Amino acid sequence: GAVVSQHPSRVICKSGTSVKIECRSLDFQATTMFWYRQFPKQSLMLMATSNEGSKATYEQGVEKDKFLINHASLTLSTLTVTSAHPEDSSFYICSARVTSEYEQYFGPGTRLTVT
Amino acid sequence: EDQVTQSPEALRLQEGESSSLNCSYTVSGLRGLFWYRQDPGKGPEFLFTLYSAGEEKEKERLKATLTKKESFLHITAPKPEDSATYLCAVQASGNNRLAFGKGNQVVVIP
Repeated sequence: GAVVSQHPSRVICKSGTSVKIECRSLDFQATTMFWYRQFPKQSLMLMATSNEGSKATYEQGVEKDKFLINHASLTLSTLTVTSAHPEDSSFYICSARVTSEYEQYFGPGTRLTVT
Repeated sequence: EDQVTQSPEALRLQEGESSSLNCSYTVSGLRGLFWYRQDPGKGPEFLFTLYSAGEEKEKERLKATLTKKESFLHITAPKPEDSATYLCAVQASGNNRLAFGKGNQVVVIP
């Protein structure tokens, strides 16, 4: 149990375009989902926390207009990188948490490359 | 601010050579300490949650322990498939967020 999927696993886009990444909890309902970014050889950096049906809470320094997060249902959250630039290239990972538990279960990640 | 420091950063072990990874933390009221395993190019895989000092949990060759200041992840008789980066994270009471350490990169040589 506690499986989280992400789609796509890899995406290459041109500078200036937008990219949407989906995060789904497959076998549980997640009232809270999290979006992280990870640079090579670095640990996870939390970008935002999203609760189903409400606006996401962004970490300091994360541009909310650039990284749009939608958590429309208990099993789906999306991250849209708008007007992507090469510096947005990174490994993006989502996680989801079952309401009554503390553990976060992570998706497999999405490698974004902006050319 | 919650802080997590993991040591050593990198560790090379011979197959069968047991060792321990350290996670030192400072947090204002610990809700939980978490260990994850991360393989290259993949998301972290949940291993353990520890809630209070003195607690221990085991899974196959891994055993996690917790004190008020640190946690250890003991790897007993490791195999090459135990090669990975092990991440430690803490969650403070009243806080949704996990604060991660930079990880312990473990390579087990056959």
